[in-house]
Amino acid sequence: AQSVTQLGSHVSVSEGALVLLRCNYSSSVPPYLFWYVQYPNQGLQLLLKYTSAATLVKGINGFEAEFKKSETSFHLTKPSAHMSDAAEYFCAVSRKTSYDKVIFGPGTSLSVIP
Amino acid sequence: DADVTQTPRNRITKTGKRIMLECSQTKGHDRMYWYRQDPGLGLRLIYYSFDVKDINKGEISDGYSVSRQAQAKFSLSLESAIPNQTALYFCATAGTGATGELFFGEGSRLTVL
Repeated sequence: AQSVTQLGSHVSVSEGALVLLRCNYSSSVPPYLFWYVQYPNQGLQLLLKYTSAATLVKGINGFEAEFKKSETSFHLTKPSAHMSDAAEYFCAVSRKTSYDKVIFGPGTSLSVIP
Repeated sequence: DADVTQTPRNRITKTGKRIMLECSQTKGHDRMYWYRQDPGLGLRLIYYSFDVKDINKGEISDGYSVSRQAQAKFSLSLESAIPNQTALYFCATAGTGATGELFFGEGSRLTVL
């Protein structure tokens, strides 16, 4: 079975500081991995995805994530936080052999301090 | 207009009432999903459908039912609402053969008193 853990339900960073949101997954087969972002009162939108091409994936708004198979991790980073980055971030996994469902982690709420 | 539209956006109801949440999409996707979001739990899958004739239970289907009326429409029903079904509900779609990327509606906030 697949599962996703996100270390830290809430992360605070100063504006201009590095953003690091952690995600670890378990999957019995090679996974697809995703980061979604949810702004207040909105649905989720895709930030970036890993589908077995490059292990370093670049997404929208300056975010990127690196797939590390040995660590079963897919951590999200951004070099310099903006106030507009304040949102809820969800890591998710699905199986390459099946497109039936996407399993989400519990989410990390990011606050950016001026 | 949004590609994935959910109605109603907000609903307050009482225990025991029947509630229907509707989802329609203009993306032409075959796959549609209903998720429930609760604080600290992320999104949990309730039901999903690969096409009009295909309905599958997700992680937490008890107390819910769905209907796929057309390729573009997928509704979620609570036959007899209870307070612990108070949550934010999301409809999502995905294209056939896609790598699992989901497209979400803006959510329906349901409160059961």
